[in-house]
Amino acid sequence: AQKITQTQPGMFVQEKEAVTLDCTYDTSDQSYGLFWYKQPSSGEMIFLIYQGSYDEQNATEGRYSLNFQKARKSANLVISASQLGDSAMYFCAMREVYNQGGKLIFGQGTELSVKP
Amino acid sequence: SQTIHQWPATLVQPVGSPLSLECTVEGTSNPNLYWYRQAAGRGLQLLFYSVGIGQISSEVPQNLSASRPQDRQFILSSKKLLLSDSGFYLCAWSPTGRGRETQYFGPGTRLLVL
Repeated sequence: AQKITQTQPGMFVQEKEAVTLDCTYDTSDQSYGLFWYKQPSSGEMIFLIYQGSYDEQNATEGRYSLNFQKARKSANLVISASQLGDSAMYFCAMREVYNQGGKLIFGQGTELSVKP
Repeated sequence: SQTIHQWPATLVQPVGSPLSLECTVEGTSNPNLYWYRQAAGRGLQLLFYSVGIGQISSEVPQNLSASRPQDRQFILSSKKLLLSDSGFYLCAWSPTGRGRETQYFGPGTRLLVL
């Protein structure tokens, strides 16, 4: 069965430093997608970055990059040069390519706090 | 550009009362639509999804139901709310397709059942 595990309930980082948020996944499919979302205290879920299982390069979007290690089934999010506005919950999610409807399976989230 | 709306933003309802949450999407056609629920401090749980008008798939058996009367409208309902229905309800949409399609979320509805 599909499963997403985020083992860090909370993380602290100093402003302007980089931080890595861990995500491991479990699937028996060869084709899948991995997503990261940010949820500020307002509650909206903001899409950050996507990695496909067959993508050869790690995904990057501005200050966000995804450290994809397929053999280890990990998809860690790296935020470079942290900003105070990065303080939020971060969710890792997975979608198996051929599942009907394209539903996402979410991890439990990591709460990131950026210190000035 | 596409936008997704949800209302109401917050709702306080007594146990046993009915529920209707609405979600609409603008700027796209034939989207996949989703209802998720998030309990406090937890991840999101998929409740329903729809790949077309009148087509609803349920992920979790419960006293909630969903309907899609129009292409870009998705409604979450209940005839009688339970205390355990409290939570944050998020609607999402994605383009049709397989695999790479990102889901985009609405602002959510906070429901408190007393």
